Amino acid sequence: NAGVTQTPKFQVLKTGQSMTLQCAQDMNHNSMYWYRQDPGMGLRLIYYSASEGTTDKGEVPNGYNVSRLNKREFSLRLESAAPSQTSVYFCASSESWYRTDTQYFGPGTRLTVL
Amino acid sequence: DQQVKQNSPSLSVQEGRISILNCDYTNSMFDYFLWYKKYPAEGPTFLISISSIKDKNEDGRFTVFLNKSAKHLSLHIVPSQPGDSAVYFCAASAAGNQFYFGTGTSLTVIP
Repeated sequence: NAGVTQTPKFQVLKTGQSMTLQCAQDMNHNSMYWYRQDPGMGLRLIYYSASEGTTDKGEVPNGYNVSRLNKREFSLRLESAAPSQTSVYFCASSESWYRTDTQYFGPGTRLTVL
Repeated sequence: DQQVKQNSPSLSVQEGRISILNCDYTNSMFDYFLWYKKYPAEGPTFLISISSIKDKNEDGRFTVFLNKSAKHLSLHIVPSQPGDSAVYFCAASAAGNQFYFGTGTSLTVIP
């Protein structure tokens, strides 16, 4: 039981390049999330998927797109990376979107955009 | 604008003593609060929660206190252990379910 896995662990991009961050969970959870963590800012919600087939914007969605590929997988895409997107990205999942359901986090992807 | 603030970036405590981590919020609509713990190179893990209908919640060595009038919550760890050394995040939500996180406090428990 791996929980929430994220790939890659580290990535360096040049400005304008694109990439997709992958996330998968094996807990049969309905809801999945993407957060970013920046120094002095805490974790901020980028996008979430309350259930398979739905996605919604969070607090900081600009510059990102997401795909809920199936119940297990939720990917985050940067179409044209910018230095402001240098951050640590965390994927999380929970039984449901209801806030009392515990969110389980992956280990994070450290992204640097030059 | 940061709605959830942790004004102490770091805290050092002797093993066996009490650790008190503080969190302030500005949005009076927040009514559900969480604490997460994070070790380096790992994702945050859930620690304890509290609803605004309560002012205290305990789970073993961890107790969270909520002061709604002051818009303040605190996490008490008693007794502190070296394995508690980590970054602690508080988070808050209103009815919309999205959580807003503080910037974290790095706790070091000295053996």
